[in-house]
Amino acid sequence: KAGVTQTPRYLIKTRGQQVTLSCSPISGHRSVSWYQQTPGQGLQFLFEYFSETQRNKGNFPGRFSGRQFSNSRSEMNVSTLELGDSALYLCASSLGIRDRANQPQHFGDGTRLSIL
Amino acid sequence: AQSVAQPEDQVNVAEGNPLTVKCTYSVSGNPYLFWYVQYPNRGLQFLLKYITGDNLVKGSYGFEAEFNKSQTSFHLKKPSALVSDSALYFCAVRGRGSQGNLIFGKGTKLSVKP
Repeated sequence: KAGVTQTPRYLIKTRGQQVTLSCSPISGHRSVSWYQQTPGQGLQFLFEYFSETQRNKGNFPGRFSGRQFSNSRSEMNVSTLELGDSALYLCASSLGIRDRANQPQHFGDGTRLSIL
Repeated sequence: AQSVAQPEDQVNVAEGNPLTVKCTYSVSGNPYLFWYVQYPNRGLQFLLKYITGDNLVKGSYGFEAEFNKSQTSFHLKKPSALVSDSALYFCAVRGRGSQGNLIFGKGTKLSVKP
C-alpha cells in the first residue's frame, strides 16, 4: 500500500511569492492534516481536513490556507511568503472515521520550503 | 491547555544498553498518547500509541512505552539500543473526544554509540 505522498520534496521561493504544496493520502484515508516543522518552534499544527471540510485550524495567519478534494487529496497554499515560512511542511493522513482521536496519523516525507 | 513536554533535548546511550526517552503531558480528561520517530530528511513514523488498558504498550522495532497516569508520563523505552535507533523522537497527545490535532513535544534526539 502506497504511503502518504507529498510533492514537491524541495522548493525554493523568494519573499512575496506564493506556493502550493500537494499531499496524496494513503488510499482509503479521508482525514488529512498539515504541520509545519522548524528547528525553533518544532512541529506545529496548521489545519485538518475531512470530507473536503476544514475541521480544525491551528494558530497561523490567514496567508496559510488549504483545501481537500473529493478524492481526499489535499493542497496547502501560502501567500506572500516571508523568510520565517522556511520550514519542512508535513502532511499526515488517517482513516478519519468514528473515533479519530485514537487513530495514528501516517506522515509523508514532507516538502522542504526555503525562502530566499 | 493541552501540552507535551520532553525534558531532554538529547539522550546518549551505548549500543546494547537500555534506553529511555521521557515524556510528560498535560491534558484534560483521559489522553491518547503517541510516539513517533523521525529520521533525517524523512517524515514521522508511528511507533506506538496508548489508548486504554495495559499501561505497558508495545510498538514497532522493539520499542515500548509505559503510561503512568499519576505522574502524567509516557516514557519510551527499549531494552537494548541499536545504532540504527539514532533519530529524533516525538511524543504527542490528542485529547479524547476532541476534534483534535496532535500536540507534539519538542522532540528528543537519541544518539546510540557503538
